[in-house]
Amino acid sequence: AQSVTQLDSQVPVFEEAPVELRCNYSSSVSVYLFWYVQYPNQGLQLLLKYLSGSTLVESINGFEAEFNKSQTSFHLRKPSVHISDTAEYFCAVSEAWFGNEKLTFGTGTRLTIIP
Amino acid sequence: DTGVSQDPRHKITKRGQNVTFRCDPISEHNRLYWYRQTLGQGPEFLTYFQNEAQLEKSRLLSDRFSAERPKGSFSTLEIQRTEQGDSAMYLCASRPRQGAKTGANVLTFGAGSRLTVL
Repeated sequence: AQSVTQLDSQVPVFEEAPVELRCNYSSSVSVYLFWYVQYPNQGLQLLLKYLSGSTLVESINGFEAEFNKSQTSFHLRKPSVHISDTAEYFCAVSEAWFGNEKLTFGTGTRLTIIP
Repeated sequence: DTGVSQDPRHKITKRGQNVTFRCDPISEHNRLYWYRQTLGQGPEFLTYFQNEAQLEKSRLLSDRFSAERPKGSFSTLEIQRTEQGDSAMYLCASRPRQGAKTGANVLTFGAGSRLTVL
């Protein structure tokens, strides 16, 4: 069965500092990996995804994540954060077999940017 | 395209009452999902529909919960005889039919319906 672990429930970071949000997954088969972001009082929005190909994926707002199969990780990074990045970030996994419609989420990491 | 709409956004009810949530997916999306998110947790899968057919239900969906999607458009999630443990955010999501591998889901989520059971 697929599962996701986000070890950090809260991460405070100074504005313009780098950040890494950790995500580890567990699965016995190939997976697709996702990062979703949830701003206050809003729904989840897809930030970036890994389906296949290049292990480094990037979002339009400066975030990137790298799929590491040997370490079963998909950590999210940004070299310089802004106040507007304050949100909750969820890592999610979906096993890559036909008919699987289930997305399994981690418990989330609350990113707080300190001015 | 106005995205996925959910109604009501907030519902406060007394234990034992029935509640119903509605989800309107993006019009061309044939797949619709319900997730539940409790405080401090990530969203948990409840059920999903392909058109009007309910194809999978989680063990989390007790017999007090029922979901429907008549005509394959909007969906409703009803909770009967609510309990305090039902207090959560109920999220709806949808996605279009894809020719690619099924698991490559890119779901569009609604803003959610927050239920508080007193």
